[in-house]
Amino acid sequence: SQQGEEDPQALSIQEGENATMNCSYKTSINNLQWYRQNSGRGLVHLILIRSNEREKHSGRLRVTLDTSKKSSSLLITASRAADTASYFCATGLNPGGGNKLTFGTGTQLKVEL
Amino acid sequence: EPEVTQTPSHQVTQMGQEVILRCVPISNHLYFYWYRQILGQKVEFLVSFYNNEISEKSEIFDDQFSVERPDGSNFTLKIRSTKLEDSAMYFCASSRRGGNEQFFGPGTRLTVL
Repeated sequence: SQQGEEDPQALSIQEGENATMNCSYKTSINNLQWYRQNSGRGLVHLILIRSNEREKHSGRLRVTLDTSKKSSSLLITASRAADTASYFCATGLNPGGGNKLTFGTGTQLKVEL
Repeated sequence: EPEVTQTPSHQVTQMGQEVILRCVPISNHLYFYWYRQILGQKVEFLVSFYNNEISEKSEIFDDQFSVERPDGSNFTLKIRSTKLEDSAMYFCASSRRGGNEQFFGPGTRLTVL
């Protein structure tokens, strides 16, 4: 698998249900970020978790990071139709002060009414 | 809330022409990035820029590409002689520090004919 691969590739749920997306990566990281992208639009930053953190919350979002398994998950609780979008994980290594992000292939989430 | 802006939103050009894509990063940010996303594919890192110089670049960022911060607010990506395969959405991003959240602009859709 490539650096930053999400699964599932597509997820369809009913409004009010929880959505869980997973991301696996191959190399060491400094941080992992999750982004949302609505069709044909820009990337919206959701949450950043650093390599020394295991879990982080922001509103209805919960992110976990397991560096031993090189994986992360994004949980969206009580989903809404407006959550319909593609979700990407992006890993950052922060070499030399910069932080090149390597993006995954994304999970397309559809929340139906 | 401050945001990254990009102009133009859509640029159509003929193969072989030069294009300049413009970005205004968030004002107190120090790190600047360009990424691109070919339709239906992953977001790919092009270049990072800090302290008026390139800190890292990908294999995609060859001699046809250059970046500049001509004044205190703009950050530009120039493609000297566009090819058909340069057609993509180009995203600018900025972050306060290297390992921090990167905030993305809405993108410029470049179409090379």
